[in-house]
Amino acid sequence: NAGVMQNPRHLVRRRGQEARLRCSPMKGHSHVYWYRQLPEEGLKFMVYLQKENIIDESGMPKERFSAEFPKEGPSILRIQQVVRGDSAAYFCASSQGAGTYGYTFGSGTRLTVV
Amino acid sequence: GESVGLHLPTLSVQEGDNSIINCAYSNSASDYFIWYKQESGKGPQFIIDIRSNMDKRQGQRVTVLLNKTVKHLSLQIAATQPGDSAVYFCAENNYGQNFVFGPGTRLSVLP
Repeated sequence: NAGVMQNPRHLVRRRGQEARLRCSPMKGHSHVYWYRQLPEEGLKFMVYLQKENIIDESGMPKERFSAEFPKEGPSILRIQQVVRGDSAAYFCASSQGAGTYGYTFGSGTRLTVV
Repeated sequence: GESVGLHLPTLSVQEGDNSIINCAYSNSASDYFIWYKQESGKGPQFIIDIRSNMDKRQGQRVTVLLNKTVKHLSLQIAATQPGDSAVYFCAENNYGQNFVFGPGTRLSVLP
């Protein structure tokens, strides 16, 4: 009964490169959330997806960031042309439903932009 | 807008003592709250939750108290152990689709 799986655990990218972060939700969970965490800070909501649909992307930067959750396969958070300010831990969470269900978080991907 | 904050950013307690971590929330419409524990290098881990129709809920060694009048949430940890050292976050939801997290409190357990 695997939990939320994120990979890679650590990702180093040079400025201007693309970063792809993957998240496989828990079995039976169809709701996926992405959060960003800067060092010594709380988690900031980025985007909420269900299969093949973006439900809420109010926390996503308008440019360079995108997310998808295809019918088959993991959810992908994509950051194009990374900058140093993108360095952070990115956490994915999944749930059975929205709002009144708690999340299960993955272990995160730590992105470092050099 | 919605916001969740914590009164104490750091808390040091002696092993065996009780810990109390506080959280203030600003959205009176929030109806579901969760406390998470995050250890270094790991993702947040669910500890305990409470819905707005309750004012207290107990788990194993942990108790969450909700005071809707002053919009205050607290987490009490009994007989704090070294393994309790972590950052603790409160999170609130108001029938929305995502949780709003506070900035976190770091709990350090002293031997």
